[in-house]
Amino acid sequence: DADVTQTPRNRITKTGKRIMLECSQTKGHDRMYWYRQDPGLGLRLIYYSFDVKDINKGEISDGYSVSRQAQAKFSLSLESAIPNQTALYFCATSDQGSTEAFFGQGTRLTVV
Amino acid sequence: DQQVKQNSPSLSVQEGRISILNCDYTNSMFDYFLWYKKYPAEGPTFLISISSIKDKNEDGRFTVFLNKSAKHLSLHIVPSQPGDSAVYFCAADPLSSGSARQLTFGSGTQLTVLP
Repeated sequence: DADVTQTPRNRITKTGKRIMLECSQTKGHDRMYWYRQDPGLGLRLIYYSFDVKDINKGEISDGYSVSRQAQAKFSLSLESAIPNQTALYFCATSDQGSTEAFFGQGTRLTVV
Repeated sequence: DQQVKQNSPSLSVQEGRISILNCDYTNSMFDYFLWYKKYPAEGPTFLISISSIKDKNEDGRFTVFLNKSAKHLSLHIVPSQPGDSAVYFCAADPLSSGSARQLTFGSGTQLTVLP
């Protein structure tokens, strides 16, 4: 089983709909992240959380919100999806004091 | 403006030969660099890293070279194998931030190793 699990793996949704992407981890890491990958742009940080009570905006947080329900769970929400949010989304974790991130398998989101 | 650039979107190499993937950066505050490998339908996985106090780090078939004056790093894979075919991301971190929150990623290079 994967250490970092994302659900769903693929999703097609309509413009204006609310959608939630979920992430759970068994690595025991306190730190969790949501990234977005677009063609030609690499991965960009949306939000990160260093513990259950800690939520921080990343480089591209507009249009997104997150919830850290437990140490092992970190969800990303699009309150009103728009087509330019079509992308590949990755959840990741890291251990305290480490730069190395461990990624989930990704969620391919298409907004039509 | 991208602070970490991988100018070659793709690279094809014959099996057994050397693969050289390049990465340039512009931010002189970066002092820790990582390479990730990504297979289709999977998340990126950590491959190798290097601190700015070194100019080379080796792990089996993989070696990363850092040229700080040129703000350039490269990943060498010798010998290349078909299983190495993947997208390779370069990432940089400023001043040992101690977390992944400040990682800046390049756009990736698709390596194809031909049998």
